[in-house]
Amino acid sequence: GAVVSQHPSWVICKSGTSVKIECRSLDFQATTMFWYRQFPKQSLMLMATSNEGSKATYEQGVEKDKFLINHASLTLSTLTVTSAHPEDSSFYICSASDNGGLSDTQYFGPGTRLTVL
Amino acid sequence: GQSLEQPSEVTAVEGAIVQINCTYQTSGFYGLSWYQQHDGGAPTFLSYNALDGLEETGRFSSFLSRSDSYGYLLLQELQMKDSASYFCAVRGNNAGNMLTFGGGTRLMVKP
Repeated sequence: GAVVSQHPSWVICKSGTSVKIECRSLDFQATTMFWYRQFPKQSLMLMATSNEGSKATYEQGVEKDKFLINHASLTLSTLTVTSAHPEDSSFYICSASDNGGLSDTQYFGPGTRLTVL
Repeated sequence: GQSLEQPSEVTAVEGAIVQINCTYQTSGFYGLSWYQQHDGGAPTFLSYNALDGLEETGRFSSFLSRSDSYGYLLLQELQMKDSASYFCAVRGNNAGNMLTFGGGTRLMVKP
């Protein structure tokens, strides 16, 4: 089956630093990747949709200058949390679909737990 | 926009059957999906319904009624490992495959 990896699986950083999270589709080409944020015992909130070779589409309320997304290839998307603050601490999950929007199945990465001190 | 409602918590015993309901309101509709998420883990795909009716996959089945904007996930022969959160999700438009997730139902299976 389709496998999506994320790196790192967890990260602890000081307030004000930037953190980059990688999302890779290992055995398929992902024309579209999605970034979600999940707070404890809450649902997944879509942050942005990332399309290979074009700018990401951000959901309302998500600061594009704070959460930088790059989808440089069909197998890699990165999310950079710039100038992280404690309120950015969360579980960040990426997912990928493999045919540009015609499938309803998204394959999720294992998630990255970010803790900002 | 899209909104989905599902119960926040359900408790059942091993071997029992449990049904998790999901009602949705969407501006468009292309299908209802169900995902399972264990604590600390990523969501995993369980099932998808685009048409009315019941889809069965082993112990899990999913049902959809588009006229009622309603679906459910049915888990049979419950096992302890089924304790997890279950999310329904709707794809409301044909652009970009974006999913909107419900709040999740935390299922606790007791011995």
